[in-house]
Amino acid sequence: QSALTQPASVSGSPGQSITISCTGTSSDVGAYNYVSWYQQHPGKAPKLIIYDVSDRPSGVSNRFSGSKSGNTASLTISGLQAEDEADYYCSSYTSSNTYVLFGGGTKLTVL
Amino acid sequence: QVQLQESGPGLVKPSETLSLTCTVSGGSISGDYWSWIRQPPGKGLEWIGYIRWSGSTNYNPSLKSRVIISVDTSQNQFSLRLSSVTAADTAVYYCAKEMRSTYLDYWGQGALVIVSS
Repeated sequence: QSALTQPASVSGSPGQSITISCTGTSSDVGAYNYVSWYQQHPGKAPKLIIYDVSDRPSGVSNRFSGSKSGNTASLTISGLQAEDEADYYCSSYTSSNTYVLFGGGTKLTVL
Repeated sequence: QVQLQESGPGLVKPSETLSLTCTVSGGSISGDYWSWIRQPPGKGLEWIGYIRWSGSTNYNPSLKSRVIISVDTSQNQFSLRLSSVTAADTAVYYCAKEMRSTYLDYWGQGALVIVSS
């Protein structure tokens, strides 16, 4: 099973908005509303920021939002802040072997 | 607030078995899914597998032949055993709580395991 496809890197200036894409197949992203996103700062554990495509856990800023169209999910971060600089991973449930599939990760640089 | 903490040897010899334990505090291990995920240095995340409090398991097909995840509800712990390790198994190993086998809402801090003679 191949990993979900994410861009290797994205960048933006403080205050701007950026979007990270996550492309899968009709067996994972396209089949279920079970896409989640994780933020990982260097040397730290990943942190859940979006689940079930667009829901935010308690305490996560509403500057983070998620969506999905067909086999591609997206994470949008609005009002970029320096603290948003991190790696971001998408994940989806897959029916192929009923397990969790991760994307390769996207490094966000805040210019 | 659920907290998870990995423990185990940080160095394992090639061909031997990697063993890690995750201790759950702030909540009961019963009723949920409990997972292991790993991240090789400088690389992305790889889901290894999960165990339910009842003992049922599900593993990543690419690791299935070498992985055993077990649970000890009396100790509020679950464990990972990965056999026949090679340098490619060098990674930070995370334990996490998995909701409905669809997302991971609480993570441990991670434990670096190096495979080397």
